Amino acid sequence: GESVGLHLPTLSVQEGDNSIINCAYSNSASDYFIWYKQESGKGPQFIIDIRSNMDKRQGQRVTVLLNKTVKHLSLQIAATQPGDSAVYFCAESYTGNQFYFGTGTSLTVIP
Amino acid sequence: DGGITQSPKYLFRKEGQNVTLSCEQNLNHDAMYWYRQDPGQGLRLIYYSQIVNDFQKGDIAEGYSVSREKKESFPLTVTSAQKNPTAFYLCASSGPGQGYNEQFFGPGTRLTVL
Repeated sequence: GESVGLHLPTLSVQEGDNSIINCAYSNSASDYFIWYKQESGKGPQFIIDIRSNMDKRQGQRVTVLLNKTVKHLSLQIAATQPGDSAVYFCAESYTGNQFYFGTGTSLTVIP
Repeated sequence: DGGITQSPKYLFRKEGQNVTLSCEQNLNHDAMYWYRQDPGQGLRLIYYSQIVNDFQKGDIAEGYSVSREKKESFPLTVTSAQKNPTAFYLCASSGPGQGYNEQFFGPGTRLTVL
């Protein structure tokens, strides 16, 4: 899984399977988290966010899980599609103004 | 259309020259940010501004300067003092006000020092 300071991990999944991307965040005081998707040569796009008073939040085909006990965040993508191929970043914040980003996980969807 | 724009998309600079990257937003956001992204690494904060005429250094501010004279604009100057300026630069904004808001990113500027 992803963590601040590690080299970019990769994940390959078959089209139609579910994907799980993990992130270990560093600051126990962080209380707001965001997942971003970044395609090659483009800026990051917001996927989903979660506050620390929640354990789970669902969007369209995506679910974010937060485990504050072990400082772990995950992004689940249901029925992964080729268009989901990208680098996924988690970001943490404890002020709401400054964010700290992980190195990212590269997801490749195999048709 | 509302959004955040960066120009140019690609920029080439000779060593020893200063260069300014543009960032404009029409989202009426109060906060704006500049990040640097290197291959295989996460985004690192250079500078941020929470309000007009005020800005703070991020984690890697050395060799960079910014201004925030207008709410819509947050230009970044990469000076000759920046030792390794070749990178992908991303601008972001968030709002309204300050606090727990997602950051919207521009398309980025890729700077190459020749």
